Amino acid sequence: DIQMTQSPSSLSASLGDRVTITCQASQDISRSLNWYQQKPGKAPKLLIYDASNLEAGVPSRFSGSGSGTDFTFTISSLQPEDFATYYCQRYGTFGQGTKVDIK
Amino acid sequence: EVQLLESGGGLVQPGGSLRLSCAASGFTFSSYWMSWVRQAPGKGLEWVANIKEDGSDKYHADSVKGRFTISRDNARNSLYLQMNSLRAEDTAVYYCAREAVGTASAFNIWGQGTTVVVSS
Repeated sequence: DIQMTQSPSSLSASLGDRVTITCQASQDISRSLNWYQQKPGKAPKLLIYDASNLEAGVPSRFSGSGSGTDFTFTISSLQPEDFATYYCQRYGTFGQGTKVDIK
Repeated sequence: EVQLLESGGGLVQPGGSLRLSCAASGFTFSSYWMSWVRQAPGKGLEWVANIKEDGSDKYHADSVKGRFTISRDNARNSLYLQMNSLRAEDTAVYYCAREAVGTASAFNIWGQGTTVVVSS
C-alpha cells in the first residue's frame, strides 16, 4: 500500500503569511494527489485535485504543485477564513492532516 | 442544487448493526463512483469503502472488510453502508462523498455527515 506522509502536523501563522504544507508518497504516484480543507464540525471541502488543479470556486490564493513522490500545498496570503485543517489524499489514503491556527 | 444527505446514525452497542443511507440529489447519481469516509472524534479522515457507478465493483478498507458492506440503489439515488459487528473504534462521523470523474478519487461533493457511536 502507498503511504502518504503529510507535514507539519500543525503550524501557527499570521494573517497575510505564506503557508506551505507538504505531502510525500511512499512511491511514485504521478500527479494523483488532492487537497482538502476542513473546518470544525464541517465536512471537508475539495480545494485542489490532480496535484495542481484548482477546484471551481476556490480562491486563487490556494495552489498545489508536485509530481512523483513530493507535493506542496500553498496558501499565498493567509486569510481569516483559512484557519482550518488541511489534508492531502490519493484514492483511499489520506494524509494525517495539518492544523493551521493563529499565531 | 447538488446535495448528499446522510441518515441512519445513532448509538449502538458493541457487536450490533447499523445501516447508513445517503440520499443524492441535483446530479445524475448513476454516473459517479461513490464513497464513505469516516472521522473518529479528534482524528483525521479515513476512507471506508467505495462503489462503482453501476454497483458492479466495490472496495472496502481493511479495517472494515468482512464487517461493512457498501451498496447503492440507482433507482432511488441512494448509497448505503451496512455495518455489522460494530466495535468501539468504529465510533465516528460518517460522510458519503461523490468522486469526481477522471481524477484520483477526488471527493468533490460531501454530505454533512451522520454520527455513529458504538458504546455499551
